Amino acid sequence: GIQVEQSPPDLILQEGANSTLRCNFSDSVNNLQWFHQNPWGQLINLFYIPSGTKQNGRLSATTVATERYSLLYISSSQTTDSGVYFCAVGSSGAGSYQLTFGKGTKLSVIP
Amino acid sequence: DAMVIQNPRYQVTQFGKPVTLSCSQTLNHNVMYWYQQKSSQAPKLLFHYYDKDFNNEADTPDNFQSRRPNTSFCFLDIRSPGLGDAAMYLCATSRVGVIGTGPSYEQYFGPGTRLTVT
Repeated sequence: GIQVEQSPPDLILQEGANSTLRCNFSDSVNNLQWFHQNPWGQLINLFYIPSGTKQNGRLSATTVATERYSLLYISSSQTTDSGVYFCAVGSSGAGSYQLTFGKGTKLSVIP
Repeated sequence: DAMVIQNPRYQVTQFGKPVTLSCSQTLNHNVMYWYQQKSSQAPKLLFHYYDKDFNNEADTPDNFQSRRPNTSFCFLDIRSPGLGDAAMYLCATSRVGVIGTGPSYEQYFGPGTRLTVT
């Protein structure tokens, strides 16, 4: 099956700093989503981005499908950004709608 | 607002005592999924319903069953919970292959049910 690798596994930021999280995947995809898992365990949809670039406030994401990677940018980080960020992909073909998750990036934003 | 709802949010059960977790959705999505997430791990797909068709992942234990009585509801039954089944259980939905809609595989997750086995 498709492999998903996220980096870095852990990240500590000072409040106000910017960061880039990376997601590499091993095959072509029809589905790519970025999630933020909050301290209560809920997965919050950040972006549905199988290709291209999107922005939502301080967050933006870019997926370069031909090179099999996606980036999540967080600008002017806040303590509420802390949590685990997951990248999940669905490979092209019959199983496109089934997601395979990376192991996540644990982000800690300190005041 | 359209959403995915899971009840209860926290469930405590005894070793070996059957337990049922529920999920409902107001999104009218045709696909519903159950994931298991253990501490510090990524969510792992257990099974999903594509419309009425049940699809089991190859490594999902037989101890886990699911029911989908209608479009809106889906249940996860754990027949004989063991200590290793303590986890967060996440329900998700998506709208796939519906005539008249564009291609989108985006999944929407509920808040999860945290299961403790004593």
